[in-house]
Amino acid sequence: DAGVIQSPRHEVTEMGQEVTLRCKPISGHDYLFWYRQTMMRGLELLIYFNNNVPIDDSGMPEDRFSAKMPNASFSTLKIQPSEPRDSAVYFCASSFGQTNQPQHFGDGTRLSIL
Amino acid sequence: GESVGLHLPTLSVQEGDNSIINCAYSNSASDYFIWYKQESGKGPQFIIDIRSNMDKRQGQRVTVLLNKTVKHLSLQIAATQPGDSAVYFCAESRSGNTPLVFGKGTRLSVIA
Repeated sequence: DAGVIQSPRHEVTEMGQEVTLRCKPISGHDYLFWYRQTMMRGLELLIYFNNNVPIDDSGMPEDRFSAKMPNASFSTLKIQPSEPRDSAVYFCASSFGQTNQPQHFGDGTRLSIL
Repeated sequence: GESVGLHLPTLSVQEGDNSIINCAYSNSASDYFIWYKQESGKGPQFIIDIRSNMDKRQGQRVTVLLNKTVKHLSLQIAATQPGDSAVYFCAESRSGNTPLVFGKGTRLSVIA
């Protein structure tokens, strides 16, 4: 079975540009999570969805960040405008059932903002 | 200047020995715990989980122990192999249908 699929795997862009990260969760999973991982702060939860509806976005750092889930098989995380401090690895994860269930992670998008 | 990153605890183990990775949690209301393994360039990979109504759970070469009295969780890896080298994260979920909260991680280095 296919796991969580993220694209692109790597993204390098200049500050001020719009960045869109994409995620396809595991089929049948009803929870989707976006995380950011940095050396300084470790793994941080940004936002999560249940049945395509955003439940908690308190981890989203600024208004420059937005996330959508238009359907059960696709989600995006957008940064506009991007800044060098947004450089990190962004992970998407999905799970089935309640939030206290194993989350399955994609291999992440390594984002570098110059 | 040079940025200061997280100083991950590191555990170095000889190949073939058993490894024990520890994790402390702070919230006595946490009722679900999980261990992940993260290899370089990859996402965290689920290893094993345990609920608060259990003290011990075993998987293939791994055992998770939960001590609710002292709020401590451990992951034991039997006969550690070079492929076990990775960063290991514990995570907890607090009751009330809240998402996982991840610890900072421990780096396991296996010496061949």
